[in-house]
Formats: sequence, structure tokens, C-alpha cells
Amino acid sequence: NAGVTQTPKFRILKIGQSMTLQCTQDMNHNYMYWYRQDPGMGLKLIYYSVGAGITDKGEVPNGYNVSRSTTEDFPLRLELAAPSQTSVYFCASNNRGSGANVLTFGAGSRLTVL
Amino acid sequence: QKEVEQDPGPLSVPEGAIVSLNCTYSNSAFQYFMWYRQYSRKGPELLMYTYSSGNKEDGRFTAQVDKSSKYISLFIRDSQPSDSATYLCAMTFTGGGNKLTFGTGTQLKVEL
Repeated sequence: NAGVTQTPKFRILKIGQSMTLQCTQDMNHNYMYWYRQDPGMGLKLIYYSVGAGITDKGEVPNGYNVSRSTTEDFPLRLELAAPSQTSVYFCASNNRGSGANVLTFGAGSRLTVL
Repeated sequence: QKEVEQDPGPLSVPEGAIVSLNCTYSNSAFQYFMWYRQYSRKGPELLMYTYSSGNKEDGRFTAQVDKSSKYISLFIRDSQPSDSATYLCAMTFTGGGNKLTFGTGTQLKVEL
């Protein structure tokens, strides 16, 4: 049971380039999330999805896009990379119902934009 | 003012010490309170969660919530070098959508 798997682990981009961060979970969770973590800023929600075909914006969605074609996969797309998108990105998932919103996180993808 | 405040540390303690980690918050609607532990270059993992006010104990860890003061704590007894990590508090409420509000995290180092 792999849990939440993110690829790549590290990536360096030039300004203006595009890329997709991949996220896959094998726990049959309905809900999936993308967070970014910056030093001293905590975790900020970028986008989330409550099921296949349904996505919604979080706190900091500008510059990103997502899709959810299957229950397992939730890729995050950066269209025109900017230095402000240098961060560590975490994908997470859970099943709602308990009310506690307990998340299972992936190991993270460290992105640098130069 | 941030919705959740957490001292970033770093906090350095000797092995065996009792550690107290704290968060304050401003939104009185928060009902569910969580502590996540994050090792260096890893994703956060849930350590403990509590509902409403009160204490919860799990081994060497105790989570405490004081809703009247809008203050939560995590105590670690007999701290070990393996406890060295960043500890993030997080909170939410029923009907709050899918959002967890996180503190910035406190970096803890337990030294031999």
C-alpha cells in the first residue's frame, strides 16, 4: 500500500516554462488536495477535489490548474512558471465523514523556478 | 493577525525533557484540532487529533485544547532524538468546507 505518491521529487524550471506535478493515491479516497509550503508560512491550500470531475479553488490558486479524471490521480499544472512558485508542493487525500478532515500526505515535490 | 499562530522555534531540548508546543487561534468556530509531525524533507503525518475541549493521551504524547482561551498544546514526555521534527497544528470545523487551517510549525530538536 503506497498511500499518496508524488512525482517528481525535485525539479528546476526556468521562468515561463510549464510543468505538471503528478499525484496518485491508492486508498480509494474521494477527496484530494494540493498544498504549497513556504518557510515561515505554513501550508496553503491551492486546489482541491471532492471526486472525479469536480475541482475547486483553495486559498492560493493563481498560476495553477488541476484536473481530476480518475479517483486515483490529481495532477497540478503550472503553465507559466514564476519565481514566486518556488516552493515545496504536497498532495494529500482523505475520505470525509468523520469531520476531522484527517489528511494523508505525499512526500512532497520541491520546485525551484529560476 | 493570522488565524492560527504558532511559534516557529527552533526549540532545542535535552533528551528526556518534557516538551510543550502551543498554538493560539482566533476563530471560535474551530472544533477539530490536529497535530501533524513533519520530518525533514518528508510530508506531514497525523500525530493526534481532538474534538472540542479537553485532553487526549497517546503514549508519550498529550494533546490539550482550551477553547475558552483559544489555545491548544501538545506535550511530549521523555522526549527522544527521534522526536526531532517540525510540529504543525491544524484545525477545522464542521461545515468549514474542505479546509484545514495550519499553523506555521514549530521546529523541535531533541539533543543527546
